[in-house]
Amino acid sequence: DVKVTQSSRYLVKRTGEKVFLECVQDMDHENMFWYRQDPGLGLRLIYFSYDVKMKEKGDIPEGYSVSREKKERFSLILESASTNQTSMYLCASKQSNQPQHFGDGTRLSIL
Amino acid sequence: DQQVKQNSPSLSVQEGRISILNCDYTNSMFDYFLWYKKYPAEGPTFLISISSIKDKNEDGRFTVFLNKSAKHLSLHIVPSQPGDSAVYFCAASAGTGANNLFFGTGTRLTVIP
Repeated sequence: DVKVTQSSRYLVKRTGEKVFLECVQDMDHENMFWYRQDPGLGLRLIYFSYDVKMKEKGDIPEGYSVSREKKERFSLILESASTNQTSMYLCASKQSNQPQHFGDGTRLSIL
Repeated sequence: DQQVKQNSPSLSVQEGRISILNCDYTNSMFDYFLWYKKYPAEGPTFLISISSIKDKNEDGRFTVFLNKSAKHLSLHIVPSQPGDSAVYFCAASAGTGANNLFFGTGTRLTVIP
């Protein structure tokens, strides 16, 4: 079974802080994704990566950056956290034509 | 602009009856559709998919129907069980290998014992 592990289930940070969300997958998947889930808006794609050091913007990349130095790890970075970035963040991975597999999410609160 | 829409935020069904969850899309380039199920405090899990070359795909109690002309798909769960209570997300992409997956806003299904 594919395992996608997000390092924190809950995180509380302050406005202006630099925040790192970490995600690791154990199936050697090429593609990894970061989404945020908000009530009434569903899941929205922030960034994805199709290979080490490669990244593509999703629908809502503003205020975020990503890092993929190793195939199994994909990090989401909030450069200067703001209250409107309070959300549930979901990481996913997939291999070519297979469905995406999701982690359990990180609920991030920015105070 | 929401390209995948789930117009019913919630649905309640009696145990043993059929649950029908609906999804509409606007982008005619979408040709691959998926349903995910999400329990509280867990990530979404893949349930079933269908490509546009088919109009029906079945997996046990779950069947997805696709009506391309109406840009509509539905998920049927028969018979519904209390363990099916979850939020169901519809998603669509242009191609099975596409990385850009567009999600609906979800429908919360409650199956009443």
